[in-house]
Amino acid sequence: AQSVTQPDIHITVSEGASLELRCNYSYGATPYLFWYVQSPGQGLQLLLKYFSGDTLVQGIKGFEAEFKRSQSSFNLRKPSVHWSDAAEYFCAVGGPLNDYKLSFGAGTTVTVRA
Amino acid sequence: GAVVSQHPSRVICKSGTSVKIECRSLDFQATTMFWYRQFPKQSLMLMATSNEGSKATYEQGVEKDKFLINHASLTLSTLTVTSAHPEDSSFYICSAPGPGNTIYFGEGSWLTVV
Repeated sequence: AQSVTQPDIHITVSEGASLELRCNYSYGATPYLFWYVQSPGQGLQLLLKYFSGDTLVQGIKGFEAEFKRSQSSFNLRKPSVHWSDAAEYFCAVGGPLNDYKLSFGAGTTVTVRA
Repeated sequence: GAVVSQHPSRVICKSGTSVKIECRSLDFQATTMFWYRQFPKQSLMLMATSNEGSKATYEQGVEKDKFLINHASLTLSTLTVTSAHPEDSSFYICSAPGPGNTIYFGEGSWLTVV
């Protein structure tokens, strides 16, 4: 079975500081991994995705994530956080092994303080 | 790029009535679409897999007679919440595997049952 764990429920970071959100997954083959962001009352926006190839993935809004197979992780990072990055972040795993059904983590709420 | 469109984005209905949500793939064909549900401040949970030309497959615990899914064409899946109750108020979002091994999400639909 596939699953995702986001260990951090809530992270508070100062504007301009770096941000790292953790994601650990369980999947029976090479996973398709995603990070989505959701602002309050809004839908999901895809930040980045990994299917294969380079394990360091660049996304939108200055985000990047690194796939580490040995650690079953896909952590999201941003070097310098902006106030507009305050939102809910979801990591998801899926792929052809399970007909592209996605399993989402519980989410991490990011608060940005001035 | 490939787009999945969902309609309506927000709907309010009276308790006991039914409401239909549409999910369309705008520039690609989707033999499979997925319906997810998100309760406030929770993660997204897969409800069902919509299969073009055949019955939907529901996840454990999802009432198939309450959440009717129809996938009559290669670009349209509909979710009908029948005899809606306040506890059905939620965020419903669809997705479809599309070009480039990417899973595309609709904008989501906020349902409020009063």
